[in-house]
Amino acid sequence: DVKVTQSSRYLVKRTGEKVFLECVQDMDHENMFWYRQDPGLGLRLIYFSYDVKMKEKGDIPEGYSVSREKKERFSLILESASTNQTSMYLCASISGQGTYEQYFGPGTRLTVT
Amino acid sequence: AQKVTQAQTEISVVEKEDVTLDCVYETRDTTYYLFWYKQPPSGELVFLIRRNSFDEQNEISGRYSWNFQKSTSSFNFTITASQVVDSAVYFCALSESFNNNDMRFGAGTRLTVKP
Repeated sequence: DVKVTQSSRYLVKRTGEKVFLECVQDMDHENMFWYRQDPGLGLRLIYFSYDVKMKEKGDIPEGYSVSREKKERFSLILESASTNQTSMYLCASISGQGTYEQYFGPGTRLTVT
Repeated sequence: AQKVTQAQTEISVVEKEDVTLDCVYETRDTTYYLFWYKQPPSGELVFLIRRNSFDEQNEISGRYSWNFQKSTSSFNFTITASQVVDSAVYFCALSESFNNNDMRFGAGTRLTVKP
């Protein structure tokens, strides 16, 4: 079974802190994604990566950066957390064949106080 | 850019009722892919279906069925004889690329099935 894991289910940080959200997949997928999920807005793409050290901005990259040093790991970084970044963050990776479905991690609920 | 609208924010039904979740999309591409995902209370999105724009055949999988109509830009999802375990948030999504690097999700529909 494909597995996408995220480092924390719940995280509470203070305004101005630097926050790292880690995502690891075990299926050798090239493409990985970070979304945030907010009520009434669905999932919005923050960044995605199609290879090691490669990244592309999604729809809402402001205030975020990403790092992909190894194929299996994709990190989302909040350089200086703000209260409007309180959200559910979902990581996903994609199969390069077959159904091309995205496999999602369980999510990290981040609260910035 | 592509857009997905799920006008139903919340739906509540009683077990064994049939329920249809609506999805309307916008795209300028002739080739695109439509998806449905289920997000149960545990939080992890579960893939249900991927359909490409050239395949308008309706799909049935057990109690689930999907109706794709290009003429109305809709990709509706029906659950027949609903069960309490169907309670979840359901997302419709659209991608214009073959490898789904550009998926756009609707806002989701929260379905509650009462016993």
